[in-house]
Amino acid sequence: QQQVKQSPQSLIVQKGGISIINCAYENTAFDYFPWYQQFPGKGPALLIAIRPDVSEKKEGRFTISFNKSAKQFSLHIMDSQPGDSATYFCAALSGAGSYQLTFGKGTKLSVIP
Amino acid sequence: DSGVTQTPKHLITATGQRVTLRCSPRSGDLSVYWYQQSLDQGLQFLIQYYNGEERAKGNILERFSAQQFPDLHSELNLSSLELGDSALYFCASSYRQRNTEAFFGQGTRLTVV
Repeated sequence: QQQVKQSPQSLIVQKGGISIINCAYENTAFDYFPWYQQFPGKGPALLIAIRPDVSEKKEGRFTISFNKSAKQFSLHIMDSQPGDSATYFCAALSGAGSYQLTFGKGTKLSVIP
Repeated sequence: DSGVTQTPKHLITATGQRVTLRCSPRSGDLSVYWYQQSLDQGLQFLIQYYNGEERAKGNILERFSAQQFPDLHSELNLSSLELGDSALYFCASSYRQRNTEAFFGQGTRLTVV
């Protein structure tokens, strides 16, 4: 049972455009929602994270939007650059006695010049 | 560089064999997590140790086992290997039991032939 659904599976964006990746979750006990970025041959690296008490968090060109009632959150990459080409994973962490992250299946982003 | 060291980087072995993957967490981190990454399943949580004790178990097969030693490094043992065990195995570490700030190693790519 996949508890975090991520879409799209792959995304091609022109340089300078906005990349948007969406995730939806089912478990209302989730209380921490990070995004990880993974380059080929590397491990995932924490990019940005949000807690459900805020609706938006911005760090540089990266923004998380969070909709608690819809149980959805998304990553927006503004002014996308070829160096942003990577696989992005959303994840969720439960506050109810569980310590492991549940990951979405990932989105492969390609930013073309 | 995340500070998490995994060895070996690549491993090729035959079906039925047993292998050991090693992880050294970031200095000061007490929690170690193991994840399996395959193309169709994404990142799957296997097991977590905190300060030498098992804290959480995910979808880890009975043929797989892990431990965390007094110096906090961890080993993941995979036995009776099958073709389907071919995957990337990641170790992550964090200071707390709850991995809101987990750092991933570069992974071990296991190929079972």
